[in-house]
Amino acid sequence: EVQLVESGGGLVQPGGSLRLSCAASGFSFSSYWMNWVRQAPGKGLEWVANIKEDESEKYYVASVKGRFTISRDNAKNSLYLQMNSLRAEDTAVYYCARSGYGIPFDYWGQGTLVTVSS
Amino acid sequence: QSVLTQPPSASGTPGQRVTISCSGSSSNIGSNTVNWYQQLPGTAPKLLIYRYNQRPSGVPDRFSGSKSGTSASLTISGFQSEDEADYYCAAWDDSLNGWVFGGGTKLTVL
Repeated sequence: EVQLVESGGGLVQPGGSLRLSCAASGFSFSSYWMNWVRQAPGKGLEWVANIKEDESEKYYVASVKGRFTISRDNAKNSLYLQMNSLRAEDTAVYYCARSGYGIPFDYWGQGTLVTVSS
Repeated sequence: QSVLTQPPSASGTPGQRVTISCSGSSSNIGSNTVNWYQQLPGTAPKLLIYRYNQRPSGVPDRFSGSKSGTSASLTISGFQSEDEADYYCAAWDDSLNGWVFGGGTKLTVL
């Protein structure tokens, strides 16, 4: 069974940093693109970033470029999102999601809440 | 303002045919596949339709998708109360070099 479990969320002050983790199990993690997708309270879904199987390609939504870094450790079956210079508008539930072969976001984690507030 | 445009709300009676639209442009829906996600209250999104009209295992066949030009649609044939949820369309955007979602449509039972 495919499982994605996010962790690392919490309350952080504006300008602060946070590192999210996603532990994957039940599939060959190193064979799939992985994504972070966020959802602000009461709002819709927003794709944040994705990373290729071997980390050779990474893409980001414009609003986080230069502030967020996606990475992965295939030996640990883990996905990460390093978030720096956090802003109030980054407050959201952050989901880890797998992209299958030509099938985007086919499995999702339960999400971890990030709150940016003073 | 989302790159893909969906109506914010829709409603239907049990057994009715319900359609949700998703409008985009030549750089996303016009040139890439469209996917649909269902989010039940308080839960993570779930893949509903991929590559316009393919259903993952376990998704009832009353859900179907279609595309015409730069727009796509999700249709529920025989709407059921358990289908009350938020629905999102998504596609890759060649100009933005990233995934874009619609703003979501909240579907309710009348």
